[in-house]
Amino acid sequence: KNQVEQSPQSLIILEGKNCTLQCNYTVSPFSNLRWYKQDTGRGPVSLTIMTFSENTKSNGRYTATLDADTKQSSLHITASQLSDSASYICVVTVPGGNNRLAFGKGNQVVVIP
Amino acid sequence: SAVISQKPSRDICQRGTSLTIQCQVDSQVTMMFWYRQQPGQSLTLIATANQGSEATYESGFVIDKFPISRPNLTFSTLTVSNMSPEDSSIYLCSVELGAGDTQYFGPGTRLTVL
Repeated sequence: KNQVEQSPQSLIILEGKNCTLQCNYTVSPFSNLRWYKQDTGRGPVSLTIMTFSENTKSNGRYTATLDADTKQSSLHITASQLSDSASYICVVTVPGGNNRLAFGKGNQVVVIP
Repeated sequence: SAVISQKPSRDICQRGTSLTIQCQVDSQVTMMFWYRQQPGQSLTLIATANQGSEATYESGFVIDKFPISRPNLTFSTLTVSNMSPEDSSIYLCSVELGAGDTQYFGPGTRLTVL
């Protein structure tokens, strides 16, 4: 069974601080790994997408890393802002005809002033 | 990218009734997906809806409970039939513009069944 596990489940950080979210997966092989941001009451929005051969991908203050050997990915948020309060979801694409996605439960981040 | 809208954005329904959720995309797409997101849980794929063919349902989801229509390349509906409180969830549609491309999600429909 494909699994994507994320930690920590929830996190409270002070505005301006950095934080790192972890994603461990057992999907193998996989086509790509994605990080999504989901604001409360909204649908997920793609932040980064990496193939298995990429090690890092940045999108503004968000930087994702990937270690395909250890099957780990991280999402680093730099200089957090109040608008970063959201759930961050790690998603792994299972190769195949339907490009099935395996979703993590998300890291719930709350940024406080 | 794709801009996706869903209607309604939220609803409160009585047990035993049905609700149809609409999903509209601003461009023509082959594959559309319907997901359910229960509180504190990850997204779960309900079905894949391709235009011109029957929807493909995932294990645990059946057409009688979640009938889907896909009349054209920009629109789809999902009906939640004979609802019970266990159907309370967020329902999201998504599209994929190309093979290997990221999936774009709609804003979701928050359903509460009393």
